[in-house]
Amino acid sequence: EVQLVESGGGLVQPGRSLRLSCTASGFTFGDYVMSWFRQAPGKGLEWVGFIRGKAYGGTTEYAASVKGRFTISRDDSKSIAYLQMNSLKTEDTAVYYCTRPGSGWYMYFQHWGQGTLVTVSS
Amino acid sequence: SYELTQPPSVSVSPGQTASITCSGDKLGDKYVCWFQQKSGQSPVLVIYQDSKRPSGIPERFSGSNSGNTATLTISGTQAMDEADYYCQAWDSNTHVVFGGGTKLTVL
Repeated sequence: EVQLVESGGGLVQPGRSLRLSCTASGFTFGDYVMSWFRQAPGKGLEWVGFIRGKAYGGTTEYAASVKGRFTISRDDSKSIAYLQMNSLKTEDTAVYYCTRPGSGWYMYFQHWGQGTLVTVSS
Repeated sequence: SYELTQPPSVSVSPGQTASITCSGDKLGDKYVCWFQQKSGQSPVLVIYQDSKRPSGIPERFSGSNSGNTATLTISGTQAMDEADYYCQAWDSNTHVVFGGGTKLTVL
């Protein structure tokens, strides 16, 4: 069974940094793209970014709203994906989810973690 | 950037058919996914590649996509289907786009 568990959320002041982790189990982690999404309180879903697997160079893509401030990385030996968030703003307050796609050539976001809440406030 | 538009709310009576639309420029040329999100829970994929259902998703959920509009149809809607629904597509091959979400009320 695919399991994704996010951790690392909490209260942080504007301008500070925070690193989220997504610990995966139940599948060969290195074979999959890992993605991050977020949802601000009372708002809709927003894509944050993703990291490709080693076979595709482990390259990353980001939404314009976080590019240059957020960095996604992965440790395939530990089955963990990370979201490093720097220069945090109040508008980054959200529940952050990590996801794994379903199998096949087309990337669809089938598996989601339970989310971790990040609150950016002074 | 690419935009997807959904109606903010849709209401349906139990047992009836609910249709939730998602519109975007030449959306029919892209694949669309649909997510269900109940209050306080993580999103659940209910439709991918326009019309495919993941295992475990009831047959009453179906999807279509043509022209500028994708549609999620829920046949024989049940009270448990009350949730927010989001459509999603890819803008180019590297960026993900969501619609604003539709609140489905079963009354």
